[in-house]
Amino acid sequence: QVQLVQSGAEVKKPGASVKVSCKASGYTFTGYYMHWVRQAPGQGLEWMGRINPNSGGTNYAQKFQGRVTMTRDTSISTAYMELSRLRSDDTAVYYCARRFANRTSFWFDPWGQGTLVTVSS
Amino acid sequence: DIQLTQSPSFLSASVGDRVTITCRASQGISSYLAWYQQKPGKAPKLLIYAASTLQSGVPSRFSGSGSGTEFTLTISSLQPEDFATYYCQQLNSYPYDFGGGTKVEIK
Repeated sequence: QVQLVQSGAEVKKPGASVKVSCKASGYTFTGYYMHWVRQAPGQGLEWMGRINPNSGGTNYAQKFQGRVTMTRDTSISTAYMELSRLRSDDTAVYYCARRFANRTSFWFDPWGQGTLVTVSS
Repeated sequence: DIQLTQSPSFLSASVGDRVTITCRASQGISSYLAWYQQKPGKAPKLLIYAASTLQSGVPSRFSGSGSGTEFTLTISSLQPEDFATYYCQQLNSYPYDFGGGTKVEIK
């Protein structure tokens, strides 16, 4: 079945970087954009950006420009999201999600299980 | 950027109630809208895509409607497992932002 499996929880110090992985299975990895969404504790969902696994092309939310880098390794069907210069307010659960489409719309399905990143000194 | 205003942000209802959640976009997004359900500690789950198409496996008590700037998610008869937070998302143009969420709690 179609599945996204993310890497485990991370604890980082302010100023450090974190790299979260998202391994896809059950479908052609290069055929669908991969998106990243985060959720701070008790807060809503925040779109961070996307990568085209086929070309490597990216779009990032303005808020994260300059701090986020999304990459992929097609040989192992895995997408990565690296966030640098971490601050305490980057503490959140980070999700990857596949964008699916038909002729009239897009949607996210499935989602990864989430990766908790805690930023604390 | 397209802003999504979701209302209400909190809703208290009883089992069997009909519940409606509204999502308004700051500009037209055609049918590029999805609805998700999220339970504590879990990833969001797709309920509705293309504004009104029920995702496979989702109970038929869930329905979506709307086009352009105004959208609704309706639960025809609330069940105990439906108590959760619901989010709309626009996928018409980047950034693919979400509404602020509606938390549905037991009255």
